[in-house]
Amino acid sequence: NAGVTQTPKFQVLKTGQSMTLQCAQDMNHEYMSWYRQDPGMGLRLIHYSVGAGITDQGEVPNGYNVSRSTTEDFPLRLLSAAPSQTSVYFCASSYGGGPSDTQYFGPGTRLTVL
Amino acid sequence: AQSVTQPDIHITVSEGASLELRCNYSYGATPYLFWYVQSPGQGLQLLLKYFSGDTLVQGIKGFEAEFKRSQSSFNLRKPSVHWSDAAEYFCAVAPQPMEYGNKLVFGAGTILRVKS
Repeated sequence: NAGVTQTPKFQVLKTGQSMTLQCAQDMNHEYMSWYRQDPGMGLRLIHYSVGAGITDQGEVPNGYNVSRSTTEDFPLRLLSAAPSQTSVYFCASSYGGGPSDTQYFGPGTRLTVL
Repeated sequence: AQSVTQPDIHITVSEGASLELRCNYSYGATPYLFWYVQSPGQGLQLLLKYFSGDTLVQGIKGFEAEFKRSQSSFNLRKPSVHWSDAAEYFCAVAPQPMEYGNKLVFGAGTILRVKS
């Protein structure tokens, strides 16, 4: 049981490049989400999904796309990277979307956009 | 809009000393309240959570937190800090009733340093 895994761990992009951050969980969790963590700002919700085929926007969705074709995977796509997207990205999952459902976080992806 | 304030960016305590990390929230009703810990290079781990009932909540690793409605606070405490507690701690809130989106709002975090 690997929990929540994220790849890559580190990535450097040039402005305008695109890439996909991968997130997978093997706990059969319905709810998955992406956060970004910036110094002095805590974590902010980018997008979330309550099940395969269902996604919705969080607090800071601009510049990011998501899809959820399977229960296990929830990739985050940057279509045209900008320096403002330099951040640490965390994926999280939980059995459901309710308050009694503990969210499990992946180890993070550190992204630098030059 | 709901917000979470952690007034202390850094805190340094001696090993064996007591610890209190502060958290204040701004929301019209009592939200769900959480404390997470992030060790260097790791993801976040849930320490404890408060939904209702007893205002003193026990968590993992010997941590506890007390909800004070009158002060809109949810401070985290530990009676005796261990060197392994050095990490960053995040307070988070979510509205009641919690939306299905499970949208947590996080504070900026407090970095705890433990000196021997």
